[in-house]
Amino acid sequence: GENVEQHPSTLSVQEGDSAVIKCTYSDSASNYFPWYKQELGKRPQLIIDIRSNVGEKKDQRIAVTLNKTAKHFSLHITETQPEDSAVYFCAASKPGGYNKLIFGAGTRLAVHP
Amino acid sequence: GAGVSQTPSNKVTEKGKYVELRCDPISGHTALYWYRQSLGQGPEFLIYFQGTGAADDSGLPNDRFFAVRPEGSVSTLKIQRTERGDSAVYLCASSLTPQENTEAFFGQGTRLTVV
Repeated sequence: GENVEQHPSTLSVQEGDSAVIKCTYSDSASNYFPWYKQELGKRPQLIIDIRSNVGEKKDQRIAVTLNKTAKHFSLHITETQPEDSAVYFCAASKPGGYNKLIFGAGTRLAVHP
Repeated sequence: GAGVSQTPSNKVTEKGKYVELRCDPISGHTALYWYRQSLGQGPEFLIYFQGTGAADDSGLPNDRFFAVRPEGSVSTLKIQRTERGDSAVYLCASSLTPQENTEAFFGQGTRLTVV
């Protein structure tokens, strides 16, 4: 069945460093890849997304890249800040005409001052 | 309201009991989704509504789980004969349209604990 693998499961960086989280998906027909940030006890919130007709997208300190051939996509956070500390989830849409998302298991990012 | 609202925020129930979890989507959003998030895992799809009808219930784990959306807005997830393995955070999400690249907005979830 559909599967999204996410690595690493935990990531610890110093403030100001970059953080990279990688995901792979199994269904080559997936065409929408959102990233969600979830702080402890709070709702998942969309931080950036990318569609299959685009290879890269950037929003201030956050960027996402997509390699459809390899079925890989990655989240890049530059100049990390303590408030970036949270669990990050990647997801891939399951084709079917609606927004059914298959999520990765999450990456717990800790940014140390 | 401004966002997706879920009630209750926490629910503790005894094994074997029946529970109902409520979701108020963002006004005007036609698509509504239920997900389940176990500790340390990503959300797992349960069911999708377009309007009043359940267009995809393939993620419901068994027939103890049922969901309705009678007027195309508020949805209720119902769990019969609860088991300890049902303990998780149940998340509801809504989107303006059901299209695949439309942002899904999540509620804060209901944390269900079955003791």
